[in-house]
Amino acid sequence: KAGVTQTPRYLIKTRGQQVTLSCSPISGHRSVSWYQQTPGQGLQFLFEYFSETQRNKGNFPGRFSGRQFSNSRSEMNVSTLELGDSALYLCASSLSVVSSEQYFGPGTRLTVT
Amino acid sequence: QQQVKQSPQSLIVQKGGIPIINCAYENTAFDYFPWYQQFPGKGPALLIAIRPDVSEKKEGRFTISFNKSAKQFSLHIMDSQPGDSATYFCAASMGGSEKLVFGKGTKLTVNP
Repeated sequence: KAGVTQTPRYLIKTRGQQVTLSCSPISGHRSVSWYQQTPGQGLQFLFEYFSETQRNKGNFPGRFSGRQFSNSRSEMNVSTLELGDSALYLCASSLSVVSSEQYFGPGTRLTVT
Repeated sequence: QQQVKQSPQSLIVQKGGIPIINCAYENTAFDYFPWYQQFPGKGPALLIAIRPDVSEKKEGRFTISFNKSAKQFSLHIMDSQPGDSATYFCAASMGGSEKLVFGKGTKLTVNP
């Protein structure tokens, strides 16, 4: 089975712009979660989706949003980018929503200048 | 209550040694405790996971020890190899959610 794929892998944006990141989960997985990883804050939970519904949201400003499609693929959007949004954005997928095994993609490295 | 505290921040061992990484949590609603391994430039990879009804779980050279009363769990790597050099993260989640709360990570270096 192919693993979790994320596109693009690298992205450079300017402050004030917006960005959309994409995640394709492992085939058959219906739950997708997003995390932000930075050297200072570590791995922080952004959102969790199951069957196109957001089930949980982390403590991030409203500039961060996401969605899930009927084929379980997910996107996250960050509007009005700030320098502090520079991070590795990771997507993880799992079969269901009952504290099951989550598998991470390689991440999208976002740099905001 | 949502925190998972991980120690040490960094660890250096010789090949064949047994590095031990410790994590502690406060929220007794956590019921799933995975460990992840991350190499530079890669996403975290699931290594091994445990639930509170089990005190120890072993998979290959990796062992989790779990102490429910102390709210602590640890990862032991038997016969460590230079290829095990990576950053290790403990995490926790509670039933009905895939939200993982991560420790800050431990950078492990295994010298040849």
